[in-house]
Amino acid sequence: DTAVSQTPKYLVTQMGNDKSIKCEQNLGHDTMYWYKQDSKKFLKIMFSYNNKELIINETVPNRFSPKSPDKAHLNLHINSLELGDSAVYFCASSPRTGPPYGYTFGSGTRLTVV
Amino acid sequence: AQSVTQPDIHITVSEGASLELRCNYSYGATPYLFWYVQSPGQGLQLLLKYFSGDTLVQGIKGFEAEFKRSQSSFNLRKPSVHWSDAAEYFCAVGEGGNEKLTFGTGTRLTIIP
Repeated sequence: DTAVSQTPKYLVTQMGNDKSIKCEQNLGHDTMYWYKQDSKKFLKIMFSYNNKELIINETVPNRFSPKSPDKAHLNLHINSLELGDSAVYFCASSPRTGPPYGYTFGSGTRLTVV
Repeated sequence: AQSVTQPDIHITVSEGASLELRCNYSYGATPYLFWYVQSPGQGLQLLLKYFSGDTLVQGIKGFEAEFKRSQSSFNLRKPSVHWSDAAEYFCAVGEGGNEKLTFGTGTRLTIIP
């Protein structure tokens, strides 16, 4: 059983389209995250949810909207895709807020905008 | 604001040789420190972490790291590398309360026979 699973693994789409990436964790963790990894491998946090509540919202364009229907799922919807959105998006989860226990990462979604 | 510096972008070592990857952090309080490894096309896997206590931390795959407060460092070491250790390595610092991790820019490790 995959602990943190993301779908799709690859996503190629045209500029201006709207797309979603889904993430599910079966670890019973309370907190989930979205990170963006750019072409230089730099990882930057985008959002964090704890038990469906948004707790971190970094300076991300409004075109990005996370949705957490329950604590096991955190989806990322992107409107009006731009070339600069091309990156690998990682979902992660951790047991709880408080002292960090480290994340469990998904295998990533490689988004290519053409 | 917290930050992490990994001064080495790329390191090449021979199989069987020892390894040290450098990490320096900036954080006002006691840091929570992590090392992750990313194999090509994969997600990140936690190697080890430091919260408090013994400053020498053991992790998976034979890795260890030493926290040195005076040097603001958390260097990763392995006494003898294997070809399968070739990957990208990330150091990260965490802050309590919201579990946010700030990552360094990574060090790419190449192993030569």
